[in-house]
Amino acid sequence: DTAVSQTPKYLVTQMGNDKSIKCEQNLGHDTMYWYKQDSKKFLKIMFSYNNKELIINETVPNRFSPKSPDKAHLNLHINSLELGDSAVYFCASSWGDNEQFFGPGTRLTVL
Amino acid sequence: DAKTTQPPSMDCAEGRAANLPCNHSTISGNEYVYWYRQIHSQGPQYIIHGLKNNETNEMASLIITEDRKSSTLILPHATLRDTAVYYCIVRGGYQKVTFGIGTKLQVIP
Repeated sequence: DTAVSQTPKYLVTQMGNDKSIKCEQNLGHDTMYWYKQDSKKFLKIMFSYNNKELIINETVPNRFSPKSPDKAHLNLHINSLELGDSAVYFCASSWGDNEQFFGPGTRLTVL
Repeated sequence: DAKTTQPPSMDCAEGRAANLPCNHSTISGNEYVYWYRQIHSQGPQYIIHGLKNNETNEMASLIITEDRKSSTLILPHATLRDTAVYYCIVRGGYQKVTFGIGTKLQVIP
């Protein structure tokens, strides 16, 4: 009965590869988010979708492309991975602009 | 560009109340004060939020000053499981949530 789930939990890959991280929420929320937490522990928002529409798009390289097939899912695809992409990526969801519920995170390591 | 200021770290004895301060002197009238915490590498966890009145739930109490320029999160009886980084955030509407460095609370046995 996990509220916000992410797969995979860990992802180790080589530079230049393309990878995807999946997020699903079963809370009936209409808004979903992707955050990046770097090695210095700063948590920064990347994208936000409301009812499958992009509403926040921070200064993120266009190698990162979010996709929301429906309100319960928000996937993150990353092309041509770079060393600096290594981080923990968190998905979150909310009802409207209310409090956000976060997933457990995906630790991405680019070698 | 966080809109809040928090002490970087605090200690609290187990069983005592933990009082975590936050300054948000530039808060706008429609912005709420939210508190989240992150327990070692887990996803952040929502704690409580408020606009101008004091709020209490099963986890904590939130005291907001009358001028709304600062607030205090109170964990009434801190336990070791409350050791975490606590983030104070101000947000209105669909503004992006900006996490600062937070306060690292260490609960000491």
